[in-house]
Amino acid sequence: GNSVTQMEGPVTLSEEAFLTINCTYTATGYPSLFWYVQYPGEGLQLLLKATKADDKGSNKGFEATYRKETTSFHLEKGSVQVSDSAVYFCALSVPNQGGKLIFGQGTELSVKP
Amino acid sequence: EAGVAQSPRYKIIEKRQSVAFWCNPISGHATLYWYQQILGQGPKLLIQFQNNGVVDDSQLPKDRFSAERLKGVDSTLKIQPAKLEDSAVYLCASSLGLAGDRETQYFGPGTRLLVL
Repeated sequence: GNSVTQMEGPVTLSEEAFLTINCTYTATGYPSLFWYVQYPGEGLQLLLKATKADDKGSNKGFEATYRKETTSFHLEKGSVQVSDSAVYFCALSVPNQGGKLIFGQGTELSVKP
Repeated sequence: EAGVAQSPRYKIIEKRQSVAFWCNPISGHATLYWYQQILGQGPKLLIQFQNNGVVDDSQLPKDRFSAERLKGVDSTLKIQPAKLEDSAVYLCASSLGLAGDRETQYFGPGTRLLVL
């Protein structure tokens, strides 16, 4: 079946450190891939997405590249800030299945000053 | 543009009681989703509507959960009777449609349910 696996958290970094959160997927066909972020006390927000192989999604300094050969969509940021502290969810949607999202379990990021 | 609205934000009930959640999607969004997010897990789809028709309810526990989207706009999700394992955040999301950029889902703040 379709599934998403994320690296376990929590991840704790110092401000200005480099961030990588790993995400791999299993899917039939050619899924679209997403990163959502959930700040404390708020709802899920779309961070970035990619819809085909080798596409790079980017937003707010975050990037992720759709790697079909390794079935991965790792999230990266060159220099994290305290305000990036949140829970990050990797997700996929499979064509012709109504657009429903299948989420990973989430990775909590804590950035210390 | 107003986002997805949900109410109530918090609800505490005892097991075997009933509860209902309400969602108002972004204006013009044809597709509406209800997800259940148990603590420490990612959200899982319960039911999906396209206008006022059900597209996918395969993961909805139909013996206790029900949902409707009358007139293709607002939606309600009901649990009757509630069990302890229903404690979770219930998220509503909406999208313009089902393909390309129209499939991007926008989430409401969620309703946090605690069943005692």
